[in-house]
Amino acid sequence: DTEVTQTPKHLVMGMTNKKSLKCEQHMGHRAMYWYKQKAKKPPELMFVYSYEKLSINESVPSRFSPECPNSSLLNLHLHALQPEDSALYLCASSLSPDWNTGELFFGEGSRLTVL
Amino acid sequence: EDQVTQSPEALRLQEGESSSLNCSYTVSGLRGLFWYRQDPGKGPEFLFTLYSAGEEKEKERLKATLTKKESFLHITAPKPEDSATYLCAATGTASKLTFGTGTRLQVTL
Repeated sequence: DTEVTQTPKHLVMGMTNKKSLKCEQHMGHRAMYWYKQKAKKPPELMFVYSYEKLSINESVPSRFSPECPNSSLLNLHLHALQPEDSALYLCASSLSPDWNTGELFFGEGSRLTVL
Repeated sequence: EDQVTQSPEALRLQEGESSSLNCSYTVSGLRGLFWYRQDPGKGPEFLFTLYSAGEEKEKERLKATLTKKESFLHITAPKPEDSATYLCAATGTASKLTFGTGTRLQVTL
């Protein structure tokens, strides 16, 4: 199994809603990542978990709350988002636990629209 | 601050017309240079890692090369299914992964 699976694929939410994005990998990878990508822009790092501990938070607003329940799962809890938070949210994993590895395996992303 | 710059921004080729994509980087203590392919609305797909100047990697019609200042992704006899955005990224010994803005490649019949 060489996949990173993200759900849901599409999500529409209002500014007062609470929702969650989920990510799963069964490759035995030791690090998992959340990236945000706007149209025609490169992915921007949000969070890194290494061995299930948060190792990097790129000064992301608190309305985004990551969670790593175990080595295979990664969640991103969303609350009180703004329309400018609409983007493709990408989960990735890496075999290396190093926070600056570049060999990442990405999921297909969750397309989020905030109304 | 690390920088990764890709050119051209967009490239249109006819099927079979070979070309190269450029990635210039300024990274302190280069740890690795990475190439990804991204299809519209999908996540990036890892292609290659290059570690040191002079290194080359190949996969089907793609060949990646690395010098001390830039990397090239050579596409030989491209097919329409090679159409995608190609992203270059780099890490240094003390820096996180930095992506370039990508080259959007379109291959027509």
